[in-house]
Amino acid sequence: RKEVEQDPGPFNVPEGATVAFNCTYSNSASQSFFWYRQDCRKEPKLLMSVYSSGNEDGRFTAQLNRASQYISLLIRDSKLSDSATYLCVVPGYSSASKIIFGSGTRLSIRP
Amino acid sequence: DTEVTQTPKHLVMGMTNKKSLKCEQHMGHRAMYWYKQKAKKPPELMFVYSYEKLSINESVPSRFSPECPNSSLLNLHLHALQPEDSALYLCASSLQGRGDNSPLHFGNGTRLTVT
Repeated sequence: RKEVEQDPGPFNVPEGATVAFNCTYSNSASQSFFWYRQDCRKEPKLLMSVYSSGNEDGRFTAQLNRASQYISLLIRDSKLSDSATYLCVVPGYSSASKIIFGSGTRLSIRP
Repeated sequence: DTEVTQTPKHLVMGMTNKKSLKCEQHMGHRAMYWYKQKAKKPPELMFVYSYEKLSINESVPSRFSPECPNSSLLNLHLHALQPEDSALYLCASSLQGRGDNSPLHFGNGTRLTVT
């Protein structure tokens, strides 16, 4: 099992729709989780941090399910500008500071 | 606006050139990272500096040489690169880098082309 796994997509949804995608992780000791968005040829930008059961910021909700070892990202009322790749990131639980990136989920919002 | 600044934004170099990538942050972070990212792939970790000491080297070829002059600066010296080294090079920083569970803050990257 990969340490962090994401559905690569692409997810192609109409503007205004709600879309959700998951990220599974293998290390049950992981304490924090992050969602980044990355636009084409740009750097990843932090979207949300998740330290407990979940987090909400406007149209974006991240949920953590520790029992099943996954985090989800829900986007409501999607906008054209939400089109990007969404990266799930899980810090390694060790002094080595390995930070594990998922392979990313591509989202495309159509008019 | 990014709080991690990288220069240059673009770099084209020949296989015999020597060049350096620079990264600066003023957030008081004590961990700094170099990542390499190819198209349609996630970033791949190259090096981590924690409290100005190299703590991780992910078996990167010696033609890449990192340097951390102080807690705010990180350089990546390049020499005798190959065309397959062409990629987006990302610098990042985080609070401490020792399992502190804090997120990475990325610079806007240097797009490197090796001819």
